[in-house]
Amino acid sequence: DSGVTQTPKHLITATGQRVTLRCSPRSGDLSVYWYQQSLDQGLQFLIQYYNGEERAKGNILERFSAQQFPDLHSELNLSSLELGDSALYFCASSVAGTNEKLFFGSGTQLSVL
Amino acid sequence: AQKITQTQPGMFVQEKEAVTLDCTYDTSDPSYGLFWYKQPSSGEMIFLIYQGSYDQQNATEGRYSLNFQKARKSANLVISASQLGDSAMYFCAMINTGGYNKLIFGAGTRLAVHP
Repeated sequence: DSGVTQTPKHLITATGQRVTLRCSPRSGDLSVYWYQQSLDQGLQFLIQYYNGEERAKGNILERFSAQQFPDLHSELNLSSLELGDSALYFCASSVAGTNEKLFFGSGTQLSVL
Repeated sequence: AQKITQTQPGMFVQEKEAVTLDCTYDTSDPSYGLFWYKQPSSGEMIFLIYQGSYDQQNATEGRYSLNFQKARKSANLVISASQLGDSAMYFCAMINTGGYNKLIFGAGTRLAVHP
């Protein structure tokens, strides 16, 4: 158990809908990352937050947004969902957010039908 | 641009034997970190081992060791005494050292351990 908690584990929804994925980092970790894993794109970095502030942005679509709350949990919001958004979404956390290992949650499997 | 290459889509190994999973990387940054993660069929990403670019010795963690050859830009994972539970996808990753902790992943190698 990495200590990173992601909910829900599975999510099935329809095109055009909006969903929210939730992540609680390990106790003491200030930085949260979101990754998307799909068969065709592999593991892609989406966004990083550190202590509530956005720190780095990757290949995140404009339809996607995220935030980190004062209690350090994070949410990834996906809107106007398309079939191609079906993927495994990982949250990871680390202590400070620079040059250190990331601990991953077990992921949220999103299926858009 | 930084890049990680894993050229072996799939590997087979006999139980109790050692196996090497290849990873090469490309970066112009002198300071970087290299990781290996394991992803079993259940889906979670499990940290295995880390090597910093300035580390003098190769990293080891139990049955895992990282064969770091800086001049060749390779960071191969060696698993000794393979076990059936080692069957999984293995990802090599590198830190983007542009000040932040963005990991760049390779495409992965699927390892199958046979009894």
